[in-house]
Amino acid sequence: DTEVTQTPKHLVMGMTNKKSLKCEQHMGHRAMYWYKQKAKKPPELMFVYSYEKLSINESVPSRFSPECPNSSLLNLHLHALQPEDSALYLCASSPPGGINIQYFGAGTRLSVL
Amino acid sequence: GENVEQHPSTLSVQEGDSAVIKCTYSDSASNYFPWYKQELGKGPQLIIDIRSNVGEKKDQRIAVTLNKTAKHFSLHITETQPEDSAVYFCAASISTNAGKSTFGDGTTLTVKP
Repeated sequence: DTEVTQTPKHLVMGMTNKKSLKCEQHMGHRAMYWYKQKAKKPPELMFVYSYEKLSINESVPSRFSPECPNSSLLNLHLHALQPEDSALYLCASSPPGGINIQYFGAGTRLSVL
Repeated sequence: GENVEQHPSTLSVQEGDSAVIKCTYSDSASNYFPWYKQELGKGPQLIIDIRSNVGEKKDQRIAVTLNKTAKHFSLHITETQPEDSAVYFCAASISTNAGKSTFGDGTTLTVKP
């Protein structure tokens, strides 16, 4: 299994909703990432988990709350989002050993109304 | 911090021609340079990478070259095919600094049949 699986593929939510994005990998990778990508732009790093501990938070607003329940799962909890948060949210993972090879999922296309 | 510049932003070639995309980086400590291909509606996929102890790497029609002195690296695609049409991102990172990859702004490659 060489895949990073993200669900849902598409999500539409209102500004008062609470929703969660899910990411799963079974490659034994111990680093997992959340990125935000706007149209025609490169991915922007949001959070990094290393061995299930949050190691990088790129000053992301608190309306985004990451969670890493175990080494295979990564969640991103969303609450009170703004229309400008509409974007493609990408999850990625890296193998252990100090190598920055990143394997990306297909992303969740989020629209905030 | 690291800064990666990528050129050109758009590239159009005829099928069968070669395509070259160039990136420069600023941090001499960077030692890992991946290239990602992102097709419409998908996440970025690693297509080739190079480490700072290597000057060139090939994989079938794709090659990457690295000039550490000049701090630039390039992606070469030969015998282009319509399915090569996508957005290509270069990135630079320090392999011991897990999670912190700096991406270029991307190149939209169009291969005309």
